[in-house]
Amino acid sequence: GAVVSQHPSWVICKSGTSVKIECRSLDFQATTMFWYRQFPKQSLMLMATSNEGSKATYEQGVEKDKFLINHASLTLSTLTVTSAHPEDSSFYICSARQPGDTEAFFGQGTRLTVV
Amino acid sequence: SQELEQSPQSLIVQEGKNLTINCTSSKTLYGLYWYKQKYGEGLIFLMMLQKGGEEKSHEKITAKLDEKKQQSSLHITASQPSHAGIYLCGADHTGGFKTIFGAGTRLFVKA
Repeated sequence: GAVVSQHPSWVICKSGTSVKIECRSLDFQATTMFWYRQFPKQSLMLMATSNEGSKATYEQGVEKDKFLINHASLTLSTLTVTSAHPEDSSFYICSARQPGDTEAFFGQGTRLTVV
Repeated sequence: SQELEQSPQSLIVQEGKNLTINCTSSKTLYGLYWYKQKYGEGLIFLMMLQKGGEEKSHEKITAKLDEKKQQSSLHITASQPSHAGIYLCGADHTGGFKTIFGAGTRLFVKA
């Protein structure tokens, strides 16, 4: 199957700093990518839909100024957690679909710890 | 998501036993997905169901979709320790491939 790569796999940052997470589709072009976050022992919560060349669509309750999403190319979407605080510590996962395909491929996730 | 109810929340089975996990949607389904996750890792795609009555199998895992009831079940036959993990059902309620997930079922298999 297609491969989606996330980087970094884990990151520790100081409170108040910003962190960028990358999601790449390695062998296909993805016009749409999705960003999720997962708290310990909980399910995945959809944060936003990332659309190539246009603004991301955020789910209700997700601060767009806090979680900046950029989908500058057909193979790369980035999630930037701005002014991170300890409550932003979580597991962030992206997924991507090939146009015309119904299966979503997930990245391996990024564990963010804000200290 | 409250739009997608998964049960049970957790399950402990003896190796070799069969088990079933259920997923019920409160909205019309355009697609129903089953994934497996080991905590702190990405998701492994298991199966996708779209049509009512559809049934798919992969090794010892079978998933069915009851479209009228907007329900799906995942059945594991002769469970093994390698089946342990978190099973997540995901649903596309819009036809736009935006997937929301149920709370997940934590499966433990005792050797």
